[in-house]
Amino acid sequence: EAQVTQNPRYLITVTGKKLTVTCSQNMNHEYMSWYRQDPGLGLRQIYYSMNVEVTDKGDVPEGYKVSRKEKRNFPLILESPSPNQTSLYFCASSLSNTAPQHFGDGTRLSIL
Amino acid sequence: KNEVEQSPQNLTAQEGEFITINCSYSVGISALHWLQQHPGGGIVSLFMLSSGKKKHGRLIATINIQEKHSSLHITASHPRDSAVYICAVKRGLSPDSNYQLIWGAGTKLIIKP
Repeated sequence: EAQVTQNPRYLITVTGKKLTVTCSQNMNHEYMSWYRQDPGLGLRQIYYSMNVEVTDKGDVPEGYKVSRKEKRNFPLILESPSPNQTSLYFCASSLSNTAPQHFGDGTRLSIL
Repeated sequence: KNEVEQSPQNLTAQEGEFITINCSYSVGISALHWLQQHPGGGIVSLFMLSSGKKKHGRLIATINIQEKHSSLHITASHPRDSAVYICAVKRGLSPDSNYQLIWGAGTKLIIKP
């Protein structure tokens, strides 16, 4: 089954403790993105990647890192999480720059 | 002013009604997406348009490039259509430009039985 898989689905952690949210897709998609969704603000893009080893900043990249060492994986790294990064995070992938995006189920992060 | 505006923000209707959700944008675009977010949080891509009209089941999406406007219609609405509907545009007139989308704030639709 074609899917985008995010882990974990839920995480409660404390300020400053490094964490990684994994994202994996099995559709051989070149394009992948990370978004955060906050009440009243809609979806905002954090980082995106157009191919292996090619990543670029979205609208709200501060406090986040990403890597794209393999086509299928696009992890989101919070080196020193802070409470303002408490949010619902989505990973998405698409076959091309203009193709529809496929979304993961979301990861709800709470930073205390 | 936001570059992508959706209206209405909230919409409650009775089962069976014809639903229209609007999306207006102020930038040049190469594509417009309509997505659906279920109460559980999952997001599904419904349509991607660059011109004209697309239909899938009871859903119809139209776009008018000159007027910078798109509509999503739902015919014979059903309670299972209750969700947030989100419009997003790909900025830039070239499809090969960057991968960034500009997102609308969403329209929360409730269909009552």
